[in-house]
Amino acid sequence: KNEVEQSPQNLTAQEGEFITINCSYSVGISALHWLQQHPGGGIVSLFMLSSGKKKHGRLIATINIQEKHSSLHITASHPRDSAVYICGHGGSQGNLIFGKGTKLSVKP
Amino acid sequence: ETGVTQTPRHLVMGMTNKKSLKCEQHLGHNAMYWYKQSAKKPLELMFVYSLEERVENNSVPSRFSPECPNSSHLFLHLHTLQPEDSALYLCASSQDMGRGTVTVEQYFGPGTRLTVT
Repeated sequence: KNEVEQSPQNLTAQEGEFITINCSYSVGISALHWLQQHPGGGIVSLFMLSSGKKKHGRLIATINIQEKHSSLHITASHPRDSAVYICGHGGSQGNLIFGKGTKLSVKP
Repeated sequence: ETGVTQTPRHLVMGMTNKKSLKCEQHLGHNAMYWYKQSAKKPLELMFVYSLEERVENNSVPSRFSPECPNSSHLFLHLHTLQPEDSALYLCASSQDMGRGTVTVEQYFGPGTRLTVT
């Protein structure tokens, strides 16, 4: 059964803190997505990665394919980073199978 | 217009109404998707279209009826919905449809917030 588990479910941080969100999955995959969903509902694709690490601004995503684990890090967090962060991987129908998301709230 | 657009952004409908959600992508992609996001649940795939042909998917009640007239447009026709169908409905597109566990990058629209009364 394809399962994607994220932790923590909810995370509150102070502005400037370093943040880590974790994602574990149960089947072998070729690549993993990290998405950001803002309070209004819109979803933005942050990363698609298949190995190692990717960096975009203050966001860093890492993946260990053998351990079936990925992390999303945010450096120098800011209130505008407040959102739900979702990881997912490809399913058999070309869709994405998602975790329930991690709700991040960054306080000023 | 760029990216993936959805209309309307908000919709309130009664259980006896018929309405349609519209999605349009301006990215030249070949695959389009409807996802449902209910409170406290992960995003769930409803339908996949690849090159305007529907790919069979998870069972979805017949009160949801998709239509893909061309590779740029995707509709979700709604009729006799139930209150539990209230959710955020998201459209996405990708260049091609992935296979197996291969992930293709998907681009999401802003969603339609549907409330069934």
